Amino acid sequence: AQKVTQAQTEISVVEKEDVTLDCVYETRDTTYYLFWYKQPPSGELVFLIRRNSFDEQNEISGRYSWNFQKSTSSFNFTITASQVVDSAVYFCALSGGGADGLTFGKGTHLIIQP
Amino acid sequence: EPEVTQTPSHQVTQMGQEVILRCVPISNHLYFYWYRQILGQKVEFLVSFYNNEISEKSEIFDDQFSVERPDGSNFTLKIRSTKLEDSAMYFCASSRTGSGNTIYFGEGSWLTVV
Repeated sequence: AQKVTQAQTEISVVEKEDVTLDCVYETRDTTYYLFWYKQPPSGELVFLIRRNSFDEQNEISGRYSWNFQKSTSSFNFTITASQVVDSAVYFCALSGGGADGLTFGKGTHLIIQP
Repeated sequence: EPEVTQTPSHQVTQMGQEVILRCVPISNHLYFYWYRQILGQKVEFLVSFYNNEISEKSEIFDDQFSVERPDGSNFTLKIRSTKLEDSAMYFCASSRTGSGNTIYFGEGSWLTVV
């Protein structure tokens, strides 16, 4: 069975601080896919990134970066120079591929204070 | 940018009534999904649909749920006899292929059962 753990229920930082959201996953699949989604207060789920299990390269997109480490089964997400608009719930998710649904973590509520 | 659209955005229904939630997936996508999110909780997979049949379903997706693609564009979720515990946000999603392809979500349909 697949499992995604986001141990940080809520994080509060002051604007411009860097913040890292942790994600640890469990799967028996050798091929799998990891995702991060953002859920702002308006409720929609916004896709941020997708990674397959064979690609351990870290990725940077503007102020966002992701660190994928198979050795520790982690896929952490860092926001640099946080802004108030980054305030949202962030979900890490895992898929085994095919028509498998996503297994989501419980989410981390990120609060950026001005 | 193509997006998944859902209707209604919010529905209130009496316990025991049938509800149909509608979705228009992204036009060139082949895989369709329904997820639900009970208030304050994580997003949970319900069902995936490909080639006009269910591909995968979770334990939540019991006999009171059904899905259908009645025409070339719509994808529906029917709840036959709603219960109080069905109150949740229901997200429709689609992906171009399976195999861990990016899954794009609609804005959700908030269902309140009273």
